Amino acid sequence: DSGVTQTPKHLITATGQRVTLRCSPRSGDLSVYWYQQSLDQGLQFLIQYYNGEERAKGNILERFSAQQFPDLHSELNLSSLELGDSALYFCASSLAGEETQYFGPGTRLLVL
Amino acid sequence: GESVGLHLPTLSVQEGDNSIINCAYSNSASDYFIWYKQESGKGPQFIIDIRSNMDKRQGQRVTVLLNKTVKHLSLQIAATQPGDSAVYFCAENTGRRALTFGSGTRLQVQP
Repeated sequence: DSGVTQTPKHLITATGQRVTLRCSPRSGDLSVYWYQQSLDQGLQFLIQYYNGEERAKGNILERFSAQQFPDLHSELNLSSLELGDSALYFCASSLAGEETQYFGPGTRLLVL
Repeated sequence: GESVGLHLPTLSVQEGDNSIINCAYSNSASDYFIWYKQESGKGPQFIIDIRSNMDKRQGQRVTVLLNKTVKHLSLQIAATQPGDSAVYFCAENTGRRALTFGSGTRLQVQP
């Protein structure tokens, strides 16, 4: 158990809908990262937050957004969902100034 | 981001043998490398890491070797056990940014 928690574990929704994925980092970690893992693209970095501020952006679609709250939990919002958004979404966290990222168990999203 | 393939290379070993998983990285400026193990249905689990100022680091039953000249990383697992069966990913980091993951290798341990 890495100490990073994610909810929900599974999510099934329809095209065009909007969902919110939630992540709680390890105690004391200020950085939160979101990754997408799909069959044909491996693990792809989406976005990073550090202490509430956006720090870095990767391959995140405009339909997706995220935020980190004062209690350091983070949410990833996915809207206008398409079939191709079906994937595993992972959150990772790290201590300030540290590079080792610890991953949560992921949320499996299925868009029908 | 880089595209990685669907078709994972697979390494099949006998229980008790040593395993060597290889990874080529792309960015010569990367200064931190990490190996993760991912079991089916779970998130990537940290195994071991190494900084670019080192060429070898050992953990419990695992050793990571770094060859910066050819941009190659390897993970050695001693006395491989059935519980080591998983997909193994290497990842690189440049300047404390997000990790760039390799495509992964599936390790199958035969009893």
